[in-house]
Amino acid sequence: EPEVTQTPSHQVTQMGQEVILRCVPISNHLYFYWYRQILGQKVEFLVSFYNNEISEKSEIFDDQFSVERPDGSNFTLKIRSTKLEDSAMYFCASSERGWTEAFFGQGTRLTVV
Amino acid sequence: TQLLEQSPQFLSIQEGENLTVYCNSSSVFSSLQWYRQEPGEGPVLLVTVVTGGEVKKLKRLTFQFGDARKDSSLHITAAQPGDTGLYLCAAPNAGNNRKLIWGLGTSLAVNP
Repeated sequence: EPEVTQTPSHQVTQMGQEVILRCVPISNHLYFYWYRQILGQKVEFLVSFYNNEISEKSEIFDDQFSVERPDGSNFTLKIRSTKLEDSAMYFCASSERGWTEAFFGQGTRLTVV
Repeated sequence: TQLLEQSPQFLSIQEGENLTVYCNSSSVFSSLQWYRQEPGEGPVLLVTVVTGGEVKKLKRLTFQFGDARKDSSLHITAAQPGDTGLYLCAAPNAGNNRKLIWGLGTSLAVNP
């Protein structure tokens, strides 16, 4: 069964460092998303991406964040200068049609120290 | 601000029992999704309900969307230890269908 894959599964980084989280969406999907989940809190929307551009972003997705689809398969989230409060599980998701029925990857646990 | 409230927050039951968990809002949604999440994993989509009053069954799980499309319930019959997990409801943000808003989830533990 097709699935969304994310790498790495766990990343530890020092505050102020740049991190890139990688995702391979399901191959025929056209809509891509990043969400995050801080421990004990709700899943939060970060950004949606369609047709090689950002469709929507939340207030969390400030200038420190960027997304890219560098080739036909990868979808990346970059955090330029990490802060302690960026520590969370980051989930990539993709969907085939419309903006619902998204399928999620297993997540990257980002720990900023 | 649209909110999805889930109850109960925690539920611990014995194998074989039935249970119902709820997802409520004061807002109307075009659709609503239920996910199950295990520790350290991503949410896995269980079902999407679209029509008010709709009932969908997935083996021992029964999902219902309220007539007014403001609430939903998940009923599990004869729960098994494999049902243990965090059950999340999510819905497209009204007025902007490009993102999902989420409940905090119901953490279910089914004891053998």
